[in-house]
Amino acid sequence: QSALTQPRSVSGSPGQSVTISCTGTSSDIGGYNYVSWYQQHPGKAPKLMIIDVSKRPSGVPDRFSGSKSGNTASLTISGLQAEDEADYYCSSYAGSPWVFGGGTKLTVL
Amino acid sequence: EVQLVQSGAEVKKPGESLKISCKASGYSFTNNWIGWVRQIPGKGLEWMGIIQPGDSQTRYSPSFQGQVTISADKSISTAYLQWSSLKASDTAMYYCARDGSGSYYTPNWFDPWGQGTLVTVSS
Repeated sequence: QSALTQPRSVSGSPGQSVTISCTGTSSDIGGYNYVSWYQQHPGKAPKLMIIDVSKRPSGVPDRFSGSKSGNTASLTISGLQAEDEADYYCSSYAGSPWVFGGGTKLTVL
Repeated sequence: EVQLVQSGAEVKKPGESLKISCKASGYSFTNNWIGWVRQIPGKGLEWMGIIQPGDSQTRYSPSFQGQVTISADKSISTAYLQWSSLKASDTAMYYCARDGSGSYYTPNWFDPWGQGTLVTVSS
């Protein structure tokens, strides 16, 4: 099972918006509405940010939003804040097992 | 509060065996799948496999099939990840995570995560 493709890094200034893409295939992202996104700060465990492509779990700020088109999912973070600087990983159900993206490092300038 | 607490860091030699644990609390252990994820230092997340503690059904990612064994003891709400013969390339942080969807057939998002267990394999 190949990893999903994410950009290695993105950056933005406080208050701006950034979008992280996650490209897979019809066997994973394109085949199911089971895309989730995780945020990981250095030395910490991953934290769930988005489920089922676009739903926010309780406690996740509404600055975080998710979407999908075809085989590509996206995470958009609006109104960037310093604490958003972290690694972000997409994940998709792929008919058991699952697959992660390679991760994207978000830098807040 | 749903919580997963993992066992402590391990330092092992190549060829040794190891079993690390993930103790769940705050929910009915048999209702949700639990998965294991590897993170090599400085690298990304990799799904290893997943277990349904109620019936011990397991699913492994192809890369880890035959390399590790995932098990669970529902009497003590604990999931395990074990190796029979460690290699230096097994050096990594290992996380357990609970499926939050509650779906038996398509577990698909994971929350919460354990704090991680660092495994170091070195001669």
